[in-house]
Amino acid sequence: DAGVIQSPRHEVTEMGQEVTLRCKPISGHDYLFWYRQTMMRGLELLIYFNNNVPIDDSGMPEDRFSAKMPNASFSTLKIQPSEPRDSAVYFCASSSVRFNQPQHFGDGTRLSIL
Amino acid sequence: LAKTTQPISMDSYEGQEVNITCSHNNIATNDYITWYQQFPSQGPRFIIQGYKTKVTNEVASLFIPADRKSSTLSLPRVSLSDTAVYYCLALNRDDKIIFGKGTRLHILP
Repeated sequence: DAGVIQSPRHEVTEMGQEVTLRCKPISGHDYLFWYRQTMMRGLELLIYFNNNVPIDDSGMPEDRFSAKMPNASFSTLKIQPSEPRDSAVYFCASSSVRFNQPQHFGDGTRLSIL
Repeated sequence: LAKTTQPISMDSYEGQEVNITCSHNNIATNDYITWYQQFPSQGPRFIIQGYKTKVTNEVASLFIPADRKSSTLSLPRVSLSDTAVYYCLALNRDDKIIFGKGTRLHILP
């Protein structure tokens, strides 16, 4: 049973460039979450989807960030334009319910903006 | 605004029992408290969850007092492979998912 798959694992790009992070959730999971992890702020929830619909995007830091889920097996998190302070590890997770079941995390994308 | 608070780091020795406490004020009354383990270069992995009193599974126990203002993860007889970062997760009364900043547990031989 494949877990949550994220790509790329590492991304290094220059400030101002567009960055797209990808996630394939576990089949059958109706909820998909995007998190950002930094040393200073720990794990922060950015946005989550239910049945491909964004439910709560209050954690998205700025308009430069956007997320989509065009179908049940794929989601993207886009940053445009990117800035050095966006450097972090971004995790995608999926779950069968919103909260009272375990979330299954991918191994993350380590993003470095130069 | 509710938040969770955990010790930043802890050290212990192999074979010892380790207890990590997370304080979480103003959390939702009807939802679980969940703990995750994270190794370097990996995503967090579910350990245990509970609503109140005590829950035990094959790897850990979770103690939650009646007021639910804290929870304690108990790892029996730790080994070197338990060296990791441990996070508590709760839902606050504003219906927001909140992770603690994590406790870095270092097991010594």
